[in-house]
Amino acid sequence: DIQMTQSPSSLSASVGDRVTITCRASQSISSYLNWYQQKPGKAPKLLIYAASSLQSGVPSRFSGSGSGTDFTLTISSLQPEDFATYYCQQSYSTLQFTFGPGTKVDIK
Amino acid sequence: QMQLVQSGPEVKKPGTSVKVSCKASGFTFTSSAVQWVRQARGQRLEWIGWIVVGSGNTNYAQKFQERVTITRDMSTSTAYMELSSLRSEDTAVYYCAADREYLTGGNWFDPWGQGTLVTVSS
Repeated sequence: DIQMTQSPSSLSASVGDRVTITCRASQSISSYLNWYQQKPGKAPKLLIYAASSLQSGVPSRFSGSGSGTDFTLTISSLQPEDFATYYCQQSYSTLQFTFGPGTKVDIK
Repeated sequence: QMQLVQSGPEVKKPGTSVKVSCKASGFTFTSSAVQWVRQARGQRLEWIGWIVVGSGNTNYAQKFQERVTITRDMSTSTAYMELSSLRSEDTAVYYCAADREYLTGGNWFDPWGQGTLVTVSS
């Protein structure tokens, strides 16, 4: 199975800060990497697909980059509604999709 | 708009089974796949399996291979996930999600259902 790790596991930031979250795969997954945002008590929401494509309706302050084993999600200017947990997901292995452990972004 | 609506919360005894439904609207159900994911309280998202709606082909995570069955009813645009031999560790919120780009190898999940809490307790 392809294992996914994320760092940091949590971070505290202020409104307006630039935030970067890293996701690493245990083997190369090309660009088969997706990012989701989850707020407490809610279902996850797709933000970025195929490593760097912004899902329709998602604010442009969100961006994704990377390929192979290392990926990043960047929020260019953190907004109050962005405080949430962020998960990466590999879709390279269709026999076993896997998610990262999540990164919780909270208010400093 | 595109939407998946899941069935309500369930309380089950250990050793029994649960069947969760997921009704789709606002997109072409028969051209999509449906993924199932669960999340125990405070834990990460855990993939269970998926079904290609048109063909009915399924694929399950090895962990659930022996206990899970995913089906669909194209006439009602509904997918189902049944988990058997329930144990306390299966207590979690179960989500369905549409996979509308599976044919292109995309396999990103959007939209998601609202989630169904399954509680396993004696």
